[in-house]
Amino acid sequence: QKEVEQDPGPLSVPEGAIVSLNCTYSNSAFQYFMWYRQYSRKGPELLMYTYSSGNKEDGRFTAQVDKSSKYISLFIRDSQPSDSATYLCAMSDNTGNQFYFGTGTSLTVIP
Amino acid sequence: SQTIHQWPATLVQPVGSPLSLECTVEGTSNPNLYWYRQAAGRGLQLLFYSVGIGQISSEVPQNLSASRPQDRQFILSSKKLLLSDSGFYLCAWSVPTSGRADTQYFGPGTRLTVL
Repeated sequence: QKEVEQDPGPLSVPEGAIVSLNCTYSNSAFQYFMWYRQYSRKGPELLMYTYSSGNKEDGRFTAQVDKSSKYISLFIRDSQPSDSATYLCAMSDNTGNQFYFGTGTSLTVIP
Repeated sequence: SQTIHQWPATLVQPVGSPLSLECTVEGTSNPNLYWYRQAAGRGLQLLFYSVGIGQISSEVPQNLSASRPQDRQFILSSKKLLLSDSGFYLCAWSVPTSGRADTQYFGPGTRLTVL
């Protein structure tokens, strides 16, 4: 079983839709949770960072962490064509310096 | 603010040739540094990470090596490239807090094609 599971998609939505991206994980020691956005042929860009459980909102983006279910989500409101990218979830624990990534979900927002 | 540079941006090399990719970070001290490889349609594979000058941890057996000659410089090398070394190579950095790293930032990447 992989440490982090992420549905690869692809996901295609109309402009203005609410997008939900999700990851599940198996290691209950994970404490730090990140979402990255990666445009084609570019490096991943940190989008959201959350420590432990709860919600965090930044503009149109909301990150949710449910540690009891080992499940994290990223919601994008009022999606825009510029949101078309691959979204990677990542997480780490308190014990070391390594990060564990999902394989990424490809999102296309259609104008 | 912190900046991370990688070069070259694109590289086409014949099988059996050597490789040297460089990564430098500006605006921070004592960062953890990482090399990842991302194959088309696949996730990020951690190749090496370093917590200090001369300290390299290798995650997968391969014909690649890494070195950290200076605090903010990380180099990925190979003596003889294989076709399977093709991919998108990403350097990343993080600032450890109390001995652990809680998030990391990526460079622009180097796209390597081995022919």
